[in-house]
Amino acid sequence: VQLVESGGGVVQPGGSLRLSCAASGFIFSKHGMHWVRQLPGKGLEWVASVSFDGSKTDYADSVKGRFTISRDSSKNTLSLQMNSLGAEDTGIYYCAKDLAVAVVSAILDFWGPGTLVAVSS
Amino acid sequence: DIQMTQSPSSLSASVGDRVTITCQASRDININLNWYQQKPGKAPKLLMYDVSNLAIGVPSRFSGSGSATHFTLTISSLQPEDFATYYCQQHDNLAPVTFGPGTIVDLK
Repeated sequence: VQLVESGGGVVQPGGSLRLSCAASGFIFSKHGMHWVRQLPGKGLEWVASVSFDGSKTDYADSVKGRFTISRDSSKNTLSLQMNSLGAEDTGIYYCAKDLAVAVVSAILDFWGPGTLVAVSS
Repeated sequence: DIQMTQSPSSLSASVGDRVTITCQASRDININLNWYQQKPGKAPKLLMYDVSNLAIGVPSRFSGSGSATHFTLTISSLQPEDFATYYCQQHDNLAPVTFGPGTIVDLK
């Protein structure tokens, strides 16, 4: 299993950024996927999840209405569209694979190395 | 939301020590509790799921117990590669999934 995030960088407050996660080594279309972030020097915060078929998404209250998780199983890619970014969104963003098949269990058995998002003027 | 707490927030231990970390949930989460290990500059790694099931490749010196609101992670004989931060995470309520604040295990 390999997960590799990309798309991080520096963005101004109020700006947008789109993160991607390239997945390989497993049947991507059978597993739910998640984004988890880690603010500087802090713990882990679950951000969003998407079901194996993309039909169901869930979000943390802190990002609801601003972030959109999606997947393209034809390209084995997970995405996170982030709008209206603020300083509180600065951190490392990890994509993670769900252990379960065909359901979302939130047992995160593989993680990417993460991509850094910095919101600063 | 289900709040997760951990104790201690940090501990110092020596190689060979038995180490126990406690995690508490704000309501009954049955056995829907996972543990992750994170080393500095690295992504978290799944250690254990549903309280006591070892993830692939995790050595048997790690064990977990508990149910409902009180859970423990035990390392029976601490090894040099075990110095890290440990997080518990509930997956009883999937929106939102919540993590504990972490326990840092460092060298005495």
